[in-house]
Amino acid sequence: QVQLQQSGPGLVKPSQTLSLTCAISGDSVSSNSGAWNWIRQSPSRGLEWLGMTYYRSKWYNDYALSVKSRIIINTDTSKNQFSLQLNSVTPEDTAVYYCARSGTHIDAFDIWGQGTLATVSS
Amino acid sequence: DIQMTQSPSSLSTSVGDRVTITCRASQSVITYLNWYQQKPGKAPNLLIYAASSLQSGVPSRFSGSGSGTDFTLTISSLQPEDFATYYCQQSYSTPRTFGQGTKVEIK
Repeated sequence: QVQLQQSGPGLVKPSQTLSLTCAISGDSVSSNSGAWNWIRQSPSRGLEWLGMTYYRSKWYNDYALSVKSRIIINTDTSKNQFSLQLNSVTPEDTAVYYCARSGTHIDAFDIWGQGTLATVSS
Repeated sequence: DIQMTQSPSSLSTSVGDRVTITCRASQSVITYLNWYQQKPGKAPNLLIYAASSLQSGVPSRFSGSGSGTDFTLTISSLQPEDFATYYCQQSYSTPRTFGQGTKVEIK
């Protein structure tokens, strides 16, 4: 079955870059029917979609306006994984971060990573 | 952005009760509406997609209905494992947006 395994540090200093990786098993990051998302959750913001990457003969990215100037979602097809980079973090970026799959057949987040608590603190 | 508003924010109920949670979108999302269940310390779990389609492996006591701007999640007979927080989410447009959640608690 499809699984997503997250990795990355849980503590980031203010103004630095939060970097997380999501490794895919049972599906392909290059699938023409999948999309690979990052979502975060905090008490103040609730569940917040940050962005996604997907392949439809070429790569596309779509980002939330709230983080568009600070976010990059990359893919590594050789490792079958995708990653989140969030630059210039502040304590407001403290949250549990999830990777999740959505797709054209089921346009919903049907598979989730285990979640990573990322704390922004000096 | 499409705003999603759930009601109630919380409810206290008993095992065996019928539970209804409402989600309203700030504009039509047709039937691009999904429901999730989340338990403490866990990722959300997809229950219903496309407003009324039951995700594989989800018990049939869960059902969804609605279209346009108004949607409902119904649990026909609440079981002990159903005490959790429920979220709606629209997939009509980006940014994808979620409701604020409805916490179902034991009375």
